[in-house]
Amino acid sequence: NAGVTQTPKFQVLKTGQSMTLQCAQDMNHEYMSWYRQDPGMGLRLIHYSVGAGITDQGEVPNGYNVSRSTTEDFPLRLLSAAPSQTSVYFCASSTKPGTEAFFGQGTRLTVV
Amino acid sequence: GESVGLHLPTLSVQEGDNSIINCAYSNSASDYFIWYKQESGKGPQFIIDIRSNMDKRQGQRVTVLLNKTVKHLSLQIAATQPGDSAVYFCAENNDDYKLSFGAGTTVTVRA
Repeated sequence: NAGVTQTPKFQVLKTGQSMTLQCAQDMNHEYMSWYRQDPGMGLRLIHYSVGAGITDQGEVPNGYNVSRSTTEDFPLRLLSAAPSQTSVYFCASSTKPGTEAFFGQGTRLTVV
Repeated sequence: GESVGLHLPTLSVQEGDNSIINCAYSNSASDYFIWYKQESGKGPQFIIDIRSNMDKRQGQRVTVLLNKTVKHLSLQIAATQPGDSAVYFCAENNDDYKLSFGAGTTVTVRA
């Protein structure tokens, strides 16, 4: 099992550009989530999904969209990148919501 | 999350000593807690968890203690090794669908 795979690992965007961060898991987990990690602030939940076709907002959803067309994939879309979205993004999955989450390796995004 | 009063953002430990990392959680209704370890450039990795009906749980070289009276969680690492150098996060489940993470404690092991 590869676990949770995120691509790309690094990305630089210009302000106003859009892009999609990819996340895939091969553990057949129903629950997936996206976090951003900023210095001194821990991890903050952006969006989550409790199963294919179901998504909901987390703590900091503005500027991001998600969809969940399959159990395996949970992409995160930045609609119009802003410097405030410079961060490290982590995707996670778990068998049940609010339980042990398996994290990907992260995507370091810089918006200039 | 972690309160400023109990949480130390950094901890320096001599190799071979025991480490204690503290975390104060915010919601008395939280019923599940996890400790994660994050090494540089990697994603958080599960260490150990504990449910609110327990006070203590032990793993390999690690022990988690839960004091619900003062909403305090601690992670004890026995015989700290250089490979234990990392950032440690506590997380609480105060909502059926969400984990809330603290700011983390950076542990540095001195040789």
